[in-house]
Amino acid sequence: KNEVEQSPQNLTAQEGEFITINCSYSVGISALHWLQQHPGGGIVSLFMLSSGKKKHGRLIATINIQEKHSSLHITASHPRDSAVYICAVLRAGNQFYFGTGTSLTVIP
Amino acid sequence: ETGVTQSPTHLIKTRGQQVTLRCSSQSGHNTVSWYQQALGQGPQFIFQYYREEENGRGNFPPRFSGLQFPNYSSELDVNALELDDSALYLCASSVTGGNEQFFGPGTRLTVL
Repeated sequence: KNEVEQSPQNLTAQEGEFITINCSYSVGISALHWLQQHPGGGIVSLFMLSSGKKKHGRLIATINIQEKHSSLHITASHPRDSAVYICAVLRAGNQFYFGTGTSLTVIP
Repeated sequence: ETGVTQSPTHLIKTRGQQVTLRCSSQSGHNTVSWYQQALGQGPQFIFQYYREEENGRGNFPPRFSGLQFPNYSSELDVNALELDDSALYLCASSVTGGNEQFFGPGTRLTVL
């Protein structure tokens, strides 16, 4: 069983829809990261969270440490948001564990 | 400010060969982490270097080794290549080990 589970694996949305991607983890962590990976491999760090909520533009990330769960929300989705979104947790020993990603396609 | 760069972009090797991948960290970052990402999978942590010393290692065999240089650039060496080593190899730099990581574009390695 993977230490980090994401859902859904694949998501197709119409432009303008509100999107939620979920991440659950089963280990103690010091921080959680949301990453965006575009075709071709480039990865961009979106958020680093250890508690509460962060907002950047149309993106919102929340984390519930007690429930070991985080969500990434995209408001007013746009075709340029199409990418793979990866949840990664940082454990002791500076080891990162990654989810397998959620592939998002936003249709115009 | 220069971002994280990796070389080469693509590489094709045959089984049993050895390969060296290179990563230049972002200016001001002293920590470099290496990841292997197989097709359709999330990245897997290989190891991390902090100030030229290995600072954490994932579940990879000893034929995966690395170096970090005084300028904080890094190399990943893989010996005795196997077909399953075919993957995208990503490096990421950060100010310290646990902080926000900045990823390079990756090196796509194909082992035939």
